[in-house]
Amino acid sequence: GAGVSQSPRYKVAKRGQDVALRCDPISGHVSLFWYQQALGQGPEFLTYFQNEAQLDKSGLPSDRFFAERPEGSVSTLKIQRTQQEDSAVYLCASSPPYPLQETQYFGPGTRLLVL
Amino acid sequence: KQEVTQIPAALSVPEGENLVLNCSFTDSAIYNLQWFRQDPGKGLTSLLLIQSSQREQTSGRLNASLDKSSGRSTLYIAASQPGDSATYLCAVRGDKIIFGKGTRLHILP
Repeated sequence: GAGVSQSPRYKVAKRGQDVALRCDPISGHVSLFWYQQALGQGPEFLTYFQNEAQLDKSGLPSDRFFAERPEGSVSTLKIQRTQQEDSAVYLCASSPPYPLQETQYFGPGTRLLVL
Repeated sequence: KQEVTQIPAALSVPEGENLVLNCSFTDSAIYNLQWFRQDPGKGLTSLLLIQSSQREQTSGRLNASLDKSSGRSTLYIAASQPGDSATYLCAVRGDKIIFGKGTRLHILP
């Protein structure tokens, strides 16, 4: 079956530009996570949704970062006024409902380069 | 604050050898620990998940152990193959999900 998909796969932005990254989770998955992975580092948690509710956004690095999942399916991570330090791979993951909710399925990521 | 460390950062071994990857964490109050592999340019694939009440999990040539009290987990790979070359990440789940930086594994044909 289809896995988690993300688009675009690559994005080059000029400093100050706004970007929007899309995540299509596996159908029926309740939970959705966003992570930021810098080069040579492990993923760092950004935010978590359960259905359309954003239950944890403590990992968002600044108020320039905003995520939404209005219908409890597709999610968008928006970064306003991008900075060079925002360059990273942004990973999305989704999890099925209980009792398998602890297994996360990851998308291929969006590689963002801010010039 | 939870910290997750993976040692070594990189490892090269000849094909066929058994190997161990290490993961340590500072806060033992975790729900579970998970091992992932990441291939270049791709997302993460879950390998094994160990609940906090469990000591180990096995899947094929992979065996992961968990010693929560000492804050350690190991991933054992038996009879390594070139296709095992990837970055291996461990992640602990408490209040947050915290990843280590990974071990880059290269299996020499």
